[in-house]
Amino acid sequence: DAKTTQPNSMESNEEEPVHLPCNHSTISGTDYIHWYRQLPSQGPEYVIHGLTSNVNNRMASLAIAEDRKSSTLILHRATLRDAAVYYCILRDDTDKLIFGTGTRLQVFP
Amino acid sequence: EAGVAQSPRYKIIEKRQSVAFWCNPISGHATLYWYQQILGQGPKLLIQFQNNGVVDDSQLPKDRFSAERLKGVDSTLKIQPAKLEDSAVYLCASSLLRGGTGELFFGEGSRLTVL
Repeated sequence: DAKTTQPNSMESNEEEPVHLPCNHSTISGTDYIHWYRQLPSQGPEYVIHGLTSNVNNRMASLAIAEDRKSSTLILHRATLRDAAVYYCILRDDTDKLIFGTGTRLQVFP
Repeated sequence: EAGVAQSPRYKIIEKRQSVAFWCNPISGHATLYWYQQILGQGPKLLIQFQNNGVVDDSQLPKDRFSAERLKGVDSTLKIQPAKLEDSAVYLCASSLLRGGTGELFFGEGSRLTVL
């Protein structure tokens, strides 16, 4: 399974943008880049996914490097409710979702 | 739309006892997953079902863990006998689409403490 590398933790102030980086240098051409987040005492929840092009949805934006070896999850205005562990995951056509240790995001008022 | 249901939410047992966790996926979702999440770690995939067939159980400790998905809907994960290191949250997830694009929906998990 292709691996991803994320910082262990990041901090942000409320209402500021947050850029969460992810490196995936061994990504294959058919791997999708998925982001999930896990709030305290809850199961993970889907945030966004992409293949080659940048993606936007109501929760976040995903910026994918041209060589696909890295990506960045962008939260445009962080709120206290965005404090969570964010997982960057490469998903192939076997449907498995293999989690790493993720980035713990702290948001300060 | 109802989410993934899991029970019990919490369970405390002594080592060498047995325990079972139940999962009801979202209606119509053919793929079902069980994950184990130890405190401070990311979830680890234990087993993946497609309908009532096992797709991947390579990380399931088969000497003590078993799982089934009768009729391709509900699923049960059993641990017998439990060890101290089995203390974790057991997460169930389901997915509708295949091929790398489908979103996984997770339940709230079942927290197991083995004393």
